[in-house]
Amino acid sequence: DTGVSQNPRHKITKRGQNVTFRCDPISEHNRLYWYRQTLGQGPEFLTYFQNEAQLEKSRLLSDRFSAERPKGSFSTLEIQRTEQGDSAMYLCASSTPTGAASGANVLTFGAGSRLTVL
Amino acid sequence: GQSLEQPSEVTAVEGAIVQINCTYQTSGFYGLSWYQQHDGGAPTFLSYNALDGLEETGRFSSFLSRSDSYGYLLLQELQMKDSASYFCAVRAGSSASKIIFGSGTRLSIRP
Repeated sequence: DTGVSQNPRHKITKRGQNVTFRCDPISEHNRLYWYRQTLGQGPEFLTYFQNEAQLEKSRLLSDRFSAERPKGSFSTLEIQRTEQGDSAMYLCASSTPTGAASGANVLTFGAGSRLTVL
Repeated sequence: GQSLEQPSEVTAVEGAIVQINCTYQTSGFYGLSWYQQHDGGAPTFLSYNALDGLEETGRFSSFLSRSDSYGYLLLQELQMKDSASYFCAVRAGSSASKIIFGSGTRLSIRP
């Protein structure tokens, strides 16, 4: 297993366009998270899946954002009608409740998808 | 709600010891974690405290005081490669599986 994979790594789009990011988690991880990070800030929680169920979604997330994990494996994050304020790094992370550090719910992050909205 | 506070920047000298503090406020507490992020890289897990006290992992140690809603990350024998941002994080939410991060402490190390 090569870890958490995110595609595309970079996306430049014009305001008003829709974009979709894909995340392939570590295969045995049943939990998947999406975060947004801007320069100089910590990762901001967007949403979380356990298997295919979306269990939590940030109240800060507008209706333009939607995420899916249809078969409990890969996930997609779609942003509709992008705005310049959506420019950020979108990070995906996965975890499993089992393992030596299970109490920590250790997150393994992907390299991220950087979005630039012009 | 949940919030975490940590200093925005810390500067230290190579070979020295530095402590990065974190105070938190959560509706339920399930442990404090620390992550490291180098510029251009992804956050990586460093340590976790569920109970009060000190956890040691090599040059890094992490401390927790639940009564004070406070923890810190201690880095010893600082090396230039330790220059990075460090985030504290807590589990929160109804399922206790949502993980919230602080805004991060940027550690700069001088020769």
